[in-house]
Amino acid sequence: DVKVTQSSRYLVKRTGEKVFLECVQDMDHENMFWYRQDPGLGLRLIYFSYDVKMKEKGDIPEGYSVSREKKERFSLILESASTNQTSMYLCASSRAGNSYEQYFGPGTRLTVT
Amino acid sequence: QKEVEQDPGPLSVPEGAIVSLNCTYSNSAFQYFMWYRQYSRKGPELLMYTYSSGNKEDGRFTAQVDKSSKYISLFIRDSQPSDSATYLCAMKTSSGSARQLTFGSGTQLTVLP
Repeated sequence: DVKVTQSSRYLVKRTGEKVFLECVQDMDHENMFWYRQDPGLGLRLIYFSYDVKMKEKGDIPEGYSVSREKKERFSLILESASTNQTSMYLCASSRAGNSYEQYFGPGTRLTVT
Repeated sequence: QKEVEQDPGPLSVPEGAIVSLNCTYSNSAFQYFMWYRQYSRKGPELLMYTYSSGNKEDGRFTAQVDKSSKYISLFIRDSQPSDSATYLCAMKTSSGSARQLTFGSGTQLTVLP
């Protein structure tokens, strides 16, 4: 059974803190993605990675960075958390030629106070 | 104007009803059309995908694409309470990078027993 896991289901952080969200997939997928999901706005792509150490900005990269040191692991970093980054964060992975079929993790509900 | 528009609902139907979920889009380069299902407190999962125009059937689910009208639909026959979820349409062009997966904002469906 394919699996994408995320380090936390719920997270509460203070404004200005550095926040790390971790994602691990066990399917040997080349592509990994970070989205945020907000009511009425759907899923918006923050960053994606198509290979180890390779990354590309999505639609809303401001205030975020990513790291992919190993194929199975993709981290999202909020350098200085702000209240407008309160959201549901979803990680996904897919095969290189099959990005229409993405496998999602359960999500991390981040609240920044 | 968003590239992909989806009626957010909520949509509430009795068990056994036929459900129709729809999305419209503006980018004529979209070639892959997907429907993802997202249960409460879970990540989305791919339900069906269609390449280019036409219909595709899988059990009680039928996906329909009308490229001339830039309109896609998902029909659920004999709906069950277990179909209660948020349904997200997603679209992709046939070329370019993996980032070109564009999601609708989702329609929340409740099937009442």
